[in-house]
Amino acid sequence: GNSVTQMEGPVTLSEEAFLTINCTYTATGYPSLFWYVQYPGEGLQLLLKATKADDKGSNKGFEATYRKETTSFHLEKGSVQVSDSAVYFCALSDQGETSGSRLTFGEGTQLTVNP
Amino acid sequence: DAMVIQNPRYQVTQFGKPVTLSCSQTLNHNVMYWYQQKSSQAPKLLFHYYDKDFNNEADTPDNFQSRRPNTSFCFLDIRSPGLGDAAMYLCATSLPIYTTQQFFGPGTRLTVL
Repeated sequence: GNSVTQMEGPVTLSEEAFLTINCTYTATGYPSLFWYVQYPGEGLQLLLKATKADDKGSNKGFEATYRKETTSFHLEKGSVQVSDSAVYFCALSDQGETSGSRLTFGEGTQLTVNP
Repeated sequence: DAMVIQNPRYQVTQFGKPVTLSCSQTLNHNVMYWYQQKSSQAPKLLFHYYDKDFNNEADTPDNFQSRRPNTSFCFLDIRSPGLGDAAMYLCATSLPIYTTQQFFGPGTRLTVL
């Protein structure tokens, strides 16, 4: 079956530090890959996505590249801000899914950015 | 703005007393999902609807039911809430294409006393 593995958290950084959150996946076909962000007390929001190998998703200074050879989709940001403090979820959607965009989530990584 | 709305944002119920959570959407999406999220965990899919077709996850307890009377609305019914059902319940919608994102509502925080 499909699975997503994220680096364990929590992650604590100082403002303007470089961020990497590792994500690797297992899937039988060619999944779409997503990063969702969840701020305290809120639902999840899409941060970025990539739908095929070598695609790079980017948004708000965050980037992730779909690496089929290493089955990875690591999230990076060059300079984090206090407002980036949230929980980040890596997820995949299987191309074999015919009844929607059913997601398999990683465990989530709590990021705290200190001033 | 098109969106996913959940009501109420906070719900308190008593042990064993049925409760209904509601979700509405203005996106006109075919697919609606219900997730349960416990503290510091990833959301766990309970079930989803593709139009009127109901898809239950194998490990969703029978205590959880859902109704979708039309495209815009979907309800989560918990027939006899236990203390272990206290959680955030998230509704989401999407188009029926695996490359597209899900749009999440803000969630309903359920407390069971």
